[in-house]
Amino acid sequence: AQKVTQAQTEISVVEKEDVTLDCVYETRDTTYYLFWYKQPPSGELVFLIRRNSFDEQNEISGRYSWNFQKSTSSFNFTITASQVVDSAVYFCALSAPTTSGTYKYIFGTGTRLKVLA
Amino acid sequence: DTGVSQNPRHKITKRGQNVTFRCDPISEHNRLYWYRQTLGQGPEFLTYFQNEAQLEKSRLLSDRFSAERPKGSFSTLEIQRTEQGDSAMYLCASSSNEGATDTQYFGPGTRLTVL
Repeated sequence: AQKVTQAQTEISVVEKEDVTLDCVYETRDTTYYLFWYKQPPSGELVFLIRRNSFDEQNEISGRYSWNFQKSTSSFNFTITASQVVDSAVYFCALSAPTTSGTYKYIFGTGTRLKVLA
Repeated sequence: DTGVSQNPRHKITKRGQNVTFRCDPISEHNRLYWYRQTLGQGPEFLTYFQNEAQLEKSRLLSDRFSAERPKGSFSTLEIQRTEQGDSAMYLCASSSNEGATDTQYFGPGTRLTVL
């Protein structure tokens, strides 16, 4: 069965600090996708990144970077020089194939990030 | 290009009443998903449509829940005889099966409170 674990329930940092959000996943599929979404107080899930299981290259996008390690089944997310606007709940998700040929997402429980001014 | 929209954004109802939510996906997306999110949890998959066909239903979707996508565009999710345990955020997402990727884009959700 597929599972996503985000062990950090809540993290508080002071503005300009770096912060890493952990994500550990379980799956028996050889082909899968991993995602990070941001959920600000407004409630809408904002897509941040998708990574497929065959691509272990780390990715950097501005202040955001992602570290994907198949050996440890982890897909961690780092925010560099955090800002107050980064305050949100962040979800890691794993794609799971369905019988109808599409993918449903298995989400972790989320990590609430509070960036203090 | 507008994103996924959902209406209403908030719904308060009394136990036993029926409620209906609407989702308008991104216009060129043929796949549509419904998820439910309770407080402190991640979204949980409920059901999936490809065009107008409902191809997947979670066991979370009890008989009181029904979803439709009659013309393959917008979708509705109806809950009959609501219970307090139905209180949650109901999220809609859409995606396109063009190519190998299937990133789902989410709407702002409908927050349901059952009194």
